[in-house]
Amino acid sequence: ETGVTQTPRHLVMGMTNKKSLKCEQHLGHNAMYWYKQSAKKPLELMFVYNFKEQTENNSVPSRFSPECPNSSHLFLHLHTLQPEDSALYLCASSLTGQGTKGGANVLTFGAGSRLTVL
Amino acid sequence: QKEVEQNSGPLSVPEGAIASLNCTYSDRGSQSFFWYRQYSGKSPELIMFIYSNGDKEDGRFTAQLNKASQYVSLLIRDSQPSDSATYLCAAPAGDYKLSFGAGTTVTVRA
Repeated sequence: ETGVTQTPRHLVMGMTNKKSLKCEQHLGHNAMYWYKQSAKKPLELMFVYNFKEQTENNSVPSRFSPECPNSSHLFLHLHTLQPEDSALYLCASSLTGQGTKGGANVLTFGAGSRLTVL
Repeated sequence: QKEVEQNSGPLSVPEGAIASLNCTYSDRGSQSFFWYRQYSGKSPELIMFIYSNGDKEDGRFTAQLNKASQYVSLLIRDSQPSDSATYLCAAPAGDYKLSFGAGTTVTVRA
């Protein structure tokens, strides 16, 4: 497989369930991201990992718990979510350390996981 | 203040026309800017980035950057129905981060 792969593509869960989203990148990138996309809202950055170290937690509620075991894999563990957490969750990856010109921050996105919380 | 703002749209243009999308940003220190295209039900994909004042052309797409006025625009020439999508403007918001605008939805009428 190539690119950024996310599973599952669709997930329906109750507010008391525990589930996980998985992301895997085969691009040799060293940074991985979780973004949340809700209808009519800008993409919201949730977490950033650079060389598997978390560098950003954008005031995300603790019911979302990220895990990055290595530079190629990223998880988002979900528990006791709320209906307003229903959204498209996008994983992305990029190279870092290239400066601001040319290639830095060029994100490659996965297809997303559509989450519905009942 | 939002870091990146886009004209809200939606924007409807006839096939063959020019679609013009605008974006303003708040951080004067931003050096590079990105345009992503997102088809309905799909993930965003990069179509252009620009870091120098002026124009950058790639096929039917032209990005324009004016750092003094803090805006960046995207022109789509000879618009095609396949260009119908939401276009997202993005700018760096610190190390390894991008801040995205809300997007402008473009519909090209055949």
